[in-house]
Amino acid sequence: DQQVKQNSPSLSVQEGRISILNCDYTNSMFDYFLWYKKYPAEGPTFLISISSIKDKNEDGRFTVFLNKSAKHLSLHIVPSQPGDSAVYFCAASVRNNDMRFGAGTRLTVKP
Amino acid sequence: SQTIHQWPATLVQPVGSPLSLECTVEGTSNPNLYWYRQAAGRGLQLLFYSVGIGQISSEVPQNLSASRPQDRQFILSSKKLLLSDSGFYLCAWSDAGTVQFFGPGTRLTVL
Repeated sequence: DQQVKQNSPSLSVQEGRISILNCDYTNSMFDYFLWYKKYPAEGPTFLISISSIKDKNEDGRFTVFLNKSAKHLSLHIVPSQPGDSAVYFCAASVRNNDMRFGAGTRLTVKP
Repeated sequence: SQTIHQWPATLVQPVGSPLSLECTVEGTSNPNLYWYRQAAGRGLQLLFYSVGIGQISSEVPQNLSASRPQDRQFILSSKKLLLSDSGFYLCAWSDAGTVQFFGPGTRLTVL
């Protein structure tokens, strides 16, 4: 039962442009959402998060948007840099309990 | 600061052989501990989590088991490996907050 879905397995953007990674979820009880970035052969690193009481959280070039009615969140990276090339996982949890991850989206930023 | 270690980094094992992967966390007390598996081209699948010594919850029934003999030590084991056990195994920890922090991972290949 995939409660968190990332329907785009890959995304390619030009350096300097915006990258938009999308994530959908089915469990309306999720109250905390996170994005992780993963390089090959390494563990995921935490990138940014958002609580269900907010609809936007910004940290430098990274902004996460949450649309609770649509059960959708997105990660915007502006401007995109070649070093941003990685696999991005979205994750969701209910009241600090175990986290559910999407399948990931591989972002490639071309110079 | 907190750090998380996993070893070995890579492992090649024959089918039917036993498995023991170790994870330790430094710089924190009574963390929640997690084992995930990332199969090739797939997302992160939660295998086990532990909220305290000797307390293990299993998410997916399979031939793997987990143990937590000490507060900051989490071990993933198998008595007999299957080909389908190949993958990238990740250990993670969290405190009372919702962010999980991942170790560097172990690449397991079962031949």
